[in-house]
Amino acid sequence: AQSVSQHNHHVILSEAASLELGCNYSYGGTVNLFWYVQYPGQHLQLLLKYFSGDPLVKGIKGFEAEFIKSKFSFNLRKPSVQWSDTAEYFCAVTPHTGRRALTFGSGTRLQVQP
Amino acid sequence: DVKVTQSSRYLVKRTGEKVFLECVQDMDHENMFWYRQDPGLGLRLIYFSYDVKMKEKGDIPEGYSVSREKKERFSLILESASTNQTSMYLCASSPPYSSSYNEQFFGPGTRLTVL
Repeated sequence: AQSVSQHNHHVILSEAASLELGCNYSYGGTVNLFWYVQYPGQHLQLLLKYFSGDPLVKGIKGFEAEFIKSKFSFNLRKPSVQWSDTAEYFCAVTPHTGRRALTFGSGTRLQVQP
Repeated sequence: DVKVTQSSRYLVKRTGEKVFLECVQDMDHENMFWYRQDPGLGLRLIYFSYDVKMKEKGDIPEGYSVSREKKERFSLILESASTNQTSMYLCASSPPYSSSYNEQFFGPGTRLTVL
């Protein structure tokens, strides 16, 4: 079975700082990768996703993530965070075959200070 | 826009009660899912369904059951609620699996407290 690790549990940044959130997964086969975001009091929503092709994917609100297959990683980045990026971020994975339900990491709480 | 609705935002029940959590989606999605979200644990899959009357256990099915009598509705049942089932419950739906896997769309969640 696959698993996902998010090593940063709580990150505090000042506005305009750069962001990188780590995500590593364990699975031997081909995977689809996702980052979801949950703003305070709101639904979980998709930030970006990787299926195949260009390993650098761009999502909403200036976020991007890079899939590095050799490292089993899918780190989330943003060059300059805003106060409105304060949220909880979840990395998720699903294999191309077999059970297609998402496996989530434990989440990273991002707090951006004005 | 896909809309996934859950019957209650907040629910308080007593230990031993039978609890029903309802989820409805309006996009004719084949797949539906129930997760629970706990601090520090992320989202964990309880059950999912890929068709009417079909269900599969997720990673933490103990103490739960599900029902899918209609395509748009997926119910989570706590047969006898216990305090360790106090959590946020999230429902999600997605289109059928394909070579281009589509995202899951989430409801607002039900925060269940079991006293």
